[in-house]
Amino acid sequence: GAVVSQHPSWVICKSGTSVKIECRSLDFQATTMFWYRQFPKQSLMLMATSNEGSKATYEQGVEKDKFLINHASLTLSTLTVTSAHPEDSSFYICSSGGAASSTDTQYFGPGTRLTVL
Amino acid sequence: AQKITQTQPGMFVQEKEAVTLDCTYDTSDPSYGLFWYKQPSSGEMIFLIYQGSYDQQNATEGRYSLNFQKARKSANLVISASQLGDSAMYFCAMRGTGANNLFFGTGTRLTVIP
Repeated sequence: GAVVSQHPSWVICKSGTSVKIECRSLDFQATTMFWYRQFPKQSLMLMATSNEGSKATYEQGVEKDKFLINHASLTLSTLTVTSAHPEDSSFYICSSGGAASSTDTQYFGPGTRLTVL
Repeated sequence: AQKITQTQPGMFVQEKEAVTLDCTYDTSDPSYGLFWYKQPSSGEMIFLIYQGSYDQQNATEGRYSLNFQKARKSANLVISASQLGDSAMYFCAMRGTGANNLFFGTGTRLTVIP
């Protein structure tokens, strides 16, 4: 399957700072990447769809000004959590692939665990 | 809209035995895909198996098989010959026609007992 990397794997930051998370598709070009958030003992919830060369599409309830997404190339999407607060502490995971049809498999990065103090 | 239901929050299985993890879904889309992912404690999501709504045969991948019953809208995962390394969270997911993202169930935590 496809390989997706994510960096950093974990980050601890102070409240009010911004954190950037990178998601890279290593062995194929991804016009679409997805960002999910997972709180402890819960399922994955889609935050936004990142589209190469255009604006991201955010799910209802997700603040686009707080969670900035940039998809600058076919292999890289970044999620920046601006002015992070403790309630933003979560597991953020990106995925790639699966955009061509309902049968396409999505492959996930290893995730980034964010802790905001 | 799609909906995925996993009614088993936790399951236990003896090592080397088979186990079935339940998943039911609801959708009005004529074509859709069903997926199972494994999430160990490290957090990564590992793709296990895929079933297309028009596939005539049940999907199989090694020790994993998907018991697809379209009329009942169920897509249960069967793991044969359980191993200790199978202990993890298992998520059922679905993608419908025209949708790019996956909708996930709440997951089932599987514990394999030696």
